[in-house]
Amino acid sequence: GESVGLHLPTLSVQEGDNSIINCAYSNSASDYFIWYKQESGKGPQFIIDIRSNMDKRQGQRVTVLLNKTVKHLSLQIAATQPGDSAVYFCATGNSGAGSYQLTFGKGTKLSVIP
Amino acid sequence: EPEVTQTPSHQVTQMGQEVILRCVPISNHLYFYWYRQILGQKVEFLVSFYNNEISEKSEIFDDQFSVERPDGSNFTLKIRSTKLEDSAMYFCASSSLAGGPTDTQYFGPGTRLTVL
Repeated sequence: GESVGLHLPTLSVQEGDNSIINCAYSNSASDYFIWYKQESGKGPQFIIDIRSNMDKRQGQRVTVLLNKTVKHLSLQIAATQPGDSAVYFCATGNSGAGSYQLTFGKGTKLSVIP
Repeated sequence: EPEVTQTPSHQVTQMGQEVILRCVPISNHLYFYWYRQILGQKVEFLVSFYNNEISEKSEIFDDQFSVERPDGSNFTLKIRSTKLEDSAMYFCASSSLAGGPTDTQYFGPGTRLTVL
């Protein structure tokens, strides 16, 4: 069945280093991909998204890479800061089917070491 | 900055009781959602709602669940007869219509439901 998975449940990085969080998805019909950040006690917060017609998109200190061939996406955070400590979820959508439903991965906990 | 709000933040109920979880979506948004997250598991889609009717629902969203937009601002999720396995964090989300299915869904802080 459709699933979205994460390669690593936890990631620890030194402050100032770059972070890379990976995500694999299984539904080849997925055409919309989103990264959310969830801090303790809060709901998922949108970070960045990418459509299937792109393979890279950059935001402020974040970059999302999409490899449709192997059904993999990653979130790169440059110069990681203590405020980046959170759980990061990837999610996928199938807009081509007219669906608004998002399928989430389990989450990767990012810990930033000062 | 506009945000989705949810009440209560924590709801404790006895098995078999009815609960209503409340959400106030972002004011100019037209699409509304409920998701849930059982402790330690993935966020799961429950239902989407547009133009006063359900547009999509998952297998989780059975006859025990219902949604309503009782007025111009609130969006509610009702569980008629709660079960132990309904214990989870319930997130409300909303999106505008402009971007269609790829319009960003903004999430509320969640309601933690504990069924005893």
